[in-house]
Amino acid sequence: RKEVEQDPGPFNVPEGATVAFNCTYSNSASQSFFWYRQDCRKEPKLLMSVYSSGNEDGRFTAQLNRASQYISLLIRDSKLSDSATYLCVVNNFMDTGRRALTFGSGTRLQVQP
Amino acid sequence: SQTIHQWPATLVQPVGSPLSLECTVEGTSNPNLYWYRQAAGRGLQLLFYSVGIGQISSEVPQNLSASRPQDRQFILSSKKLLLSDSGFYLCAWSVFRDSSGANVLTFGAGSRLTVL
Repeated sequence: RKEVEQDPGPFNVPEGATVAFNCTYSNSASQSFFWYRQDCRKEPKLLMSVYSSGNEDGRFTAQLNRASQYISLLIRDSKLSDSATYLCVVNNFMDTGRRALTFGSGTRLQVQP
Repeated sequence: SQTIHQWPATLVQPVGSPLSLECTVEGTSNPNLYWYRQAAGRGLQLLFYSVGIGQISSEVPQNLSASRPQDRQFILSSKKLLLSDSGFYLCAWSVFRDSSGANVLTFGAGSRLTVL
């Protein structure tokens, strides 16, 4: 089983739609969680951290379910500019005691006019 | 403000040729530095990380090596490239932003390598 799993998509949605992505992680001791956004052939950029109580940033809402070991990203009122790949990222402690980020393969979103 | 530069942006190399990718960070001191590789349709794979000058940790066995000759310079090298080395190479640096001490990475623009 992969450490971080995401549905690769693509999710094709019309402008204005609400879309949600889930991501599951295998390490129950994972410390922290993030969503990154990656545009085609560009570097990933931090979209938002995911906090235990859930958090919102404008049209974006992130939630964490530790019991079921998944995180989610909800995008409301989708814009054409939201088209990108969304990477789920989990921060774990390695056997060496060092923290390490594990990236999912990403979920591709295509918002259509 | 902090910036991260990576070059070259794109390169095409024959199998067996050497490789050198360079990354520099400005506006910060003693950053944690990372090299990641992203193969087509796959997640980012951590190759190397460095917490200081001359300190390199390798995450996966491979024919690549990394060096950190200066505080804000990180170099990825290979003596002989393989076809499987093709991919999108990303340099990153980190700061600890939240109470959990988690790494939040800022990436360079990447170097796209095609080995023929």
